[in-house]
Amino acid sequence: EPEVTQTPSHQVTQMGQEVILRCVPISNHLYFYWYRQILGQKVEFLVSFYNNEISEKSEIFDDQFSVERPDGSNFTLKIRSTKLEDSAMYFCASRLAGVGNEQFFGPGTRLTVL
Amino acid sequence: KNQVEQSPQSLIILEGKNCTLQCNYTVSPFSNLRWYKQDTGRGPVSLTIMTFSENTKSNGRYTATLDADTKQSSLHITASQLSDSASYICVVRGAQTMDSNYQLIWGAGTKLIIKP
Repeated sequence: EPEVTQTPSHQVTQMGQEVILRCVPISNHLYFYWYRQILGQKVEFLVSFYNNEISEKSEIFDDQFSVERPDGSNFTLKIRSTKLEDSAMYFCASRLAGVGNEQFFGPGTRLTVL
Repeated sequence: KNQVEQSPQSLIILEGKNCTLQCNYTVSPFSNLRWYKQDTGRGPVSLTIMTFSENTKSNGRYTATLDADTKQSSLHITASQLSDSASYICVVRGAQTMDSNYQLIWGAGTKLIIKP
């Protein structure tokens, strides 16, 4: 059964460093998402992406964040200069076209900023 | 303000027992409500989706109910198994006129622990 994959599973970085989190969405999906979940807290929406552009972003998704679909399969989240408070699980999700279709989530990348 | 509140925050039950998790929401207008299961360190997995006209929906040992008048939903787990240990998250979608991710309101989840 097709699934969303994410790499790495755990990333440790120093404050101020850039990180790139990678996702491979399900192949025929057209909408892509990034979420984060700080330990013990709710899942929070970061950004949605469709047709090679950002369709929506939350107030968390500031200038330090960017997303890219560099080829036909990968979807990346870049954090330009990490802060301690960026430590969280980052989930990628994808879905088919059509309003309300289910989003399928990847297993997440645990980002630890020291 | 659109909110989703879940109770209890955590629950411990013995294997084989039943349990019911609650979700109250104030999201308006309402489009649908989804229950997710999230294993520790993993992404959420959808269990059921309920639309306005649906009162009950089952998925194996999971049964979700929805009362759109009182804005309440429940997830009932029958004959619990050790593998049911997870967080269960209620997510409500608001107006579907725009496919806005802001219209997905996430609950904080109920952490369920099944003990042998």
